[in-house]
Amino acid sequence: DAKTTQPPSMDCAEGRAANLPCNHSTISGNEYVYWYRQIHSQGPQYIIHGLKNNETNEMASLIITEDRKSSTLILPHATLRDTAVYYCIVRPLDSARQLTFGSGTQLTVLP
Amino acid sequence: KAGVTQTPRYLIKTRGQQVTLSCSPISGHRSVSWYQQTPGQGLQFLFEYFSETQRNKGNFPGRFSGRQFSNSRSEMNVSTLELGDSALYLCASSPSGRDSYEQYFGPGTRLTVT
Repeated sequence: DAKTTQPPSMDCAEGRAANLPCNHSTISGNEYVYWYRQIHSQGPQYIIHGLKNNETNEMASLIITEDRKSSTLILPHATLRDTAVYYCIVRPLDSARQLTFGSGTQLTVLP
Repeated sequence: KAGVTQTPRYLIKTRGQQVTLSCSPISGHRSVSWYQQTPGQGLQFLFEYFSETQRNKGNFPGRFSGRQFSNSRSEMNVSTLELGDSALYLCASSPSGRDSYEQYFGPGTRLTVT
């Protein structure tokens, strides 16, 4: 499976967009990019996933570069409740339920 | 719709004992996966059950086992506990189908082995 690299921590002002980067330079053609987050003392929460096109849902937007070697998760209007550890994972669709998380990015939304 | 529930939420056991953790998936979900999360190793996949059959297995020793019942509820068992088994054990459920990508996690069971 392709490895991912994320910054260990980021801060964002409340109400501003939070842009979380992820590098996955060894991604294979059949691997999707998934984003999950984990708020302290809770189980992980699915956010969004994509293959090569940009994706948007009610929670976030996912921008994948044309060469697919990196992606950015965008939370358009961050709130204090978005403070969490964000994980970027690369997996084939048929093993999407066999997740492995590394250390992720600790996003702190500041008032 | 109720979320994934796990019991107990906290557990303290002694080295050498065994433990059984329980997970009730979201109603209608037939896939249940188990994970171990530790500060050092992050989140690691243990196994997945679907329709009472183990469908996938991670790289854990045989002391870790599980099962799924006809109502999709699942249990995992760890025998001969070691100090290194101290972790947050998470259960996640998913709708039917091999291409179900979205998982819904429970709050976890915090196991401490002394």
